[in-house]
Amino acid sequence: GAVVSQHPSRVICKSGTSVKIECRSLDFQATTMFWYRQFPKKSLMLMATSNEGSKATYEQGVEKDKFLINHASLTLSTLTVTSAHPEDSSFYICSARDRGKMNTEAFFGQGTRLTVV
Amino acid sequence: DQQVKQNSPSLSVQEGRISILNCDYTNSMFDYFLWYKKYPAEGPTFLISISSIKDKNEDGRFTVFLNKSAKHLSLHIVPSQPGDSAVYFCAAVGGSQGNLIFGKGTKLSVKP
Repeated sequence: GAVVSQHPSRVICKSGTSVKIECRSLDFQATTMFWYRQFPKKSLMLMATSNEGSKATYEQGVEKDKFLINHASLTLSTLTVTSAHPEDSSFYICSARDRGKMNTEAFFGQGTRLTVV
Repeated sequence: DQQVKQNSPSLSVQEGRISILNCDYTNSMFDYFLWYKKYPAEGPTFLISISSIKDKNEDGRFTVFLNKSAKHLSLHIVPSQPGDSAVYFCAAVGGSQGNLIFGKGTKLSVKP
């Protein structure tokens, strides 16, 4: 099946620094990628929808200046957590759907465990 | 307000028996549903899906049933295996761009 690669799988950073997470679709083109966040014992919550070549659409309550999303190509979207705080520590997961195949499974990256100390 | 609900946070089943995971939704406009399996610190893995034009979809040991009138779907795993132990998420395709709306998940434990 289609593969979505997310990197890094785990990162520890100091408060105030920025962290970039990459999400790549390896064998298909994804005009749209999704970024989710999972809090402990909670569901996956959509943070933003990333569209190739245009601005991302953020869900209510998600700070766009804090969580910068860049979808520079049909196979790459990045999420940058700026000025990280300990409360940003979480599990971040990206997802992509094959271009033109809206009602099919969405493929997920491996996830990134972010710990801000 | 949760649009996709998994009311059982956990389920324990004996190996070889059937596991039944339930999911309810509130939005009658949802027309495509998916089940994902997730291990700790990993991304979800797609298991099986169903379109609203069907009421059943089967793939090996996994069968998903959809009851549109009740806005309810269920995932049946038979026979259950210890390797099936994971958190199972029910999701509906929602939103104008096809993002997934997830339930809170059900942790399945299959005991040998």
